[in-house]
Formats: sequence, structure tokens, C-alpha cells
Amino acid sequence: DTAVSQTPKYLVTQMGNDKSIKCEQNLGHDTMYWYKQDSKKFLKIMFSYNNKELIINETVPNRFSPKSPDKAHLNLHINSLELGDSAVYFCASSNGLARTDTQYFGPGTRLTVL
Amino acid sequence: AQSVTQLGSHVSVSEGALVLLRCNYSSSVPPYLFWYVQYPNQGLQLLLKYTTGATLVKGINGFEAEFKKSETSFHLTKPSAHMSDAAEYFCAVSQTGNQFYFGTGTSLTVIP
Repeated sequence: DTAVSQTPKYLVTQMGNDKSIKCEQNLGHDTMYWYKQDSKKFLKIMFSYNNKELIINETVPNRFSPKSPDKAHLNLHINSLELGDSAVYFCASSNGLARTDTQYFGPGTRLTVL
Repeated sequence: AQSVTQLGSHVSVSEGALVLLRCNYSSSVPPYLFWYVQYPNQGLQLLLKYTTGATLVKGINGFEAEFKKSETSFHLTKPSAHMSDAAEYFCAVSQTGNQFYFGTGTSLTVIP
């Protein structure tokens, strides 16, 4: 059983399109995250949700909109895709918001914008 | 301010040699520190973490790390490298709201 899953694994699209990435966790966790990993492998937090409420919203363009329909799901919708959005996007989850809580990562979605 | 610095973006060791991956941190609160490993085309997997208590932390796959407050360091070691250890390694510090700040990663190559 995959703990944190993401779909799709690969996404190739044209500039200007709108796309979504889905994330699901079956760990019973309350908190979920989206990270962006750039071409130099640097990982940066984008958003976090706790019990479906937005907790962290880093300086991300408002073309990126997360949605959490329930505690087990956190989706990422991206409008008007740009070349610079090409990256690997990772979803993660943790039990809660305690700083000691381990984050469990999904396999990533490689987004390529042409 | 909180940040993580990983010295050496690429480290090469011979199979069977000591692995040492360096991590230094700065944190405005008592640091909670993590090491993750990323194998090619995969997500991140927790190796070990330090929260409180014993400063020498043992993790999976024979890795361990020692928290040294005086040196603001949390270096990762393994006595004997194996070919399967070749991967990208990330050090992270967690802050309020369990927000993780990651280092820039160290790519480990194991030479047969």
C-alpha cells in the first residue's frame, strides 16, 4: 500500500494551459504539504494544510491554488502555466503540526512546460 | 532566521569507505533536525531525525548523525559505503508549523 500517492507521475503541457496534480495519503495524517523541487534539486515548501485549513502559504504566484477536499487529499491546481513552473512537485504528509513530526513524501510529479 | 547549509554538493567515496555528509544549521528556536535520502526518480525517505535526548541518532541502512549544538552541526555518517547508498541526501530543520527548511542536497557517488 502506497502511503502518499500522487497522480500523474509525469505531466507535459504547453505554456498557458491549466493543470492539476492530485495527492492522497492513507496514513490518517492531519497535515499535508506541497513542495517544489527545482532543476538544482532545491526543495522549497509551497503550502501546508492542517485539517483542510491552509496553514503555510509561501510566496507562491497566485496561479497556484491548493485545494483540500478532505484530510486525506490535497490537490494542486496551476493556471496559465509558465516555463519556470517546470519542476518536480512533491506532496507530503505528517501526523500534525508538531516540529517533531516526520513528513512522509510522495513519489513526485515531474511537470514539464513547453 | 533558520537555514541549513550542506557543504559539498557532490561527494564521492569508494565502496567500503567512510561516508561523511556535512550539515550545519541556524535556528531561532531549539532545532529539530532531519536527514532524508532521495533515490533517483523517487520521493524522499526519512533516514533519521533528532528532536531531544541522545545527541547521537541512529537511522536506517546503517546511517547515524550526531547533533552538536556548539558547532551547530548535524553531520551524517556511515562506517562503510555500499553501492546502494548512491543517492541525493537532504538535511532539514523544522520550524513553527512543522515547516521544513531543506539544505541544497549532497549527491553521493559510491565508486566500486
